[in-house]
Amino acid sequence: DIQMTQSPSSLSASVGDRVTITCRASQRISNYLNWYQQKPGKAPKLLIYAASSLQSGVPSRFSGSGSGTDFTLTISSLQPEDFATYYCQQSYSALTFGPGTKVDIK
Amino acid sequence: QVQLQESGPGLVKASQTLSLICTVSGGSISSGGYYWNWIRQHPGRGLEWIGYIYYSGTTYYNPSLKSRVSISLDTSKNQFSLNLSSVTAADTAVYFCARGCGADCSYGMDVWGQGTTVTVSS
Repeated sequence: DIQMTQSPSSLSASVGDRVTITCRASQRISNYLNWYQQKPGKAPKLLIYAASSLQSGVPSRFSGSGSGTDFTLTISSLQPEDFATYYCQQSYSALTFGPGTKVDIK
Repeated sequence: QVQLQESGPGLVKASQTLSLICTVSGGSISSGGYYWNWIRQHPGRGLEWIGYIYYSGTTYYNPSLKSRVSISLDTSKNQFSLNLSSVTAADTAVYFCARGCGADCSYGMDVWGQGTTVTVSS
């Protein structure tokens, strides 16, 4: 099984901050990596697919990079609506999610 | 636009089978290229993929749940369903259905239902 880790597990940031979240796979997964945003009581929302492709309708302040085992999600300028939990998910072999990174207000 | 809606019992007794249905509207479940997924989220925890069914009927399950899971399609009703047998309290979770795209978008899940809470009682 491919295990996913994320760091940090939580972070506090201010509106306007640049935020970077890291995701690491236990083995190489090429670019089979997706990022989701989830707000309390809501379903996850796809932000980034195939490591770096922006899902339609998602603001351009979100970006993704990486390949192989190490990936990052960057929010260039944090907005009030971005406070949420972010999950990475690999689809190279079965599908597994990372444990999540909670972004809250500093 | 495509919408998904989960339905089913909110309370299931331990050792019985959990059965949920996902109704797809705004598009055909039979149209090619999409994978129809079930995902769950334990209270206060992260996301766990349960499995998917392709429009052709091919299924792929989480190895940790494979012995208890079955996902099927009902194209006449534009629905797909989840059966999880021999449930225990550890199966108490919010269950989501979601549409996944293919390899060209890394099987990302772009449309989700709102989720339904299932509690397993003893």
